[in-house]
Amino acid sequence: GDSVTQMEGPVTLSEEAFLTINCTYTATGYPSLFWYVQYPGEGLQLLLKATKADDKGSNKGFEATYRKETTSFHLEKGSVQVSDSAVYFCALENFNKFYFGSGTKLNVKP
Amino acid sequence: EAQVTQNPRYLITVTGKKLTVTCSQNMNHEYMSWYRQDPGLGLRQIYYSMNVEVTDKGDVPEGYKVSRKEKRNFPLILESPSPNQTSLYFCASSLRGEQYFGPGTRLTVT
Repeated sequence: GDSVTQMEGPVTLSEEAFLTINCTYTATGYPSLFWYVQYPGEGLQLLLKATKADDKGSNKGFEATYRKETTSFHLEKGSVQVSDSAVYFCALENFNKFYFGSGTKLNVKP
Repeated sequence: EAQVTQNPRYLITVTGKKLTVTCSQNMNHEYMSWYRQDPGLGLRQIYYSMNVEVTDKGDVPEGYKVSRKEKRNFPLILESPSPNQTSLYFCASSLRGEQYFGPGTRLTVT
């Protein structure tokens, strides 16, 4: 079946460091890919998405590129801030069903 | 304000006592979904609905029921809750794959 695998956390970085959170997927067909962010005590919020191969999603300085050849959708940010501390989830949608990774907690220290 | 609301936010109950968690959205979205979030497992889809009177199983439907009699509402029903259904539950509505999540319901079954 379809699935999403993302790197385990927590990831701890200093402010202004470069961020990469790895995400790979298994799916038949042509899924859409998403990154969601969850702040403490809240529901998930959509961060960015890509709907076809080679699409790049971007938002608030975060980027991810849909790589069909490597079945990956890695999240990157050039310079993280303390306010980026949260849990990040990679997800896919395929045939109207959604699959989420286990989440990666990011801690950014001043 | 566009939002997804869930009630109750917190619920402690006993094994076997039927309960309903309500979910409502004001964005006129056709797609709605229920998830449970457990540590280390991310979010897993329980049920989803493509439109009124159309529901389908997600990855973990056992022990749950749903109904979709109106577009805005999508209640989750646990006919006979068991301790392994202790979890954090999220409702979401979706437009073009972009999901909007409610604030979550923390359920404890003793």
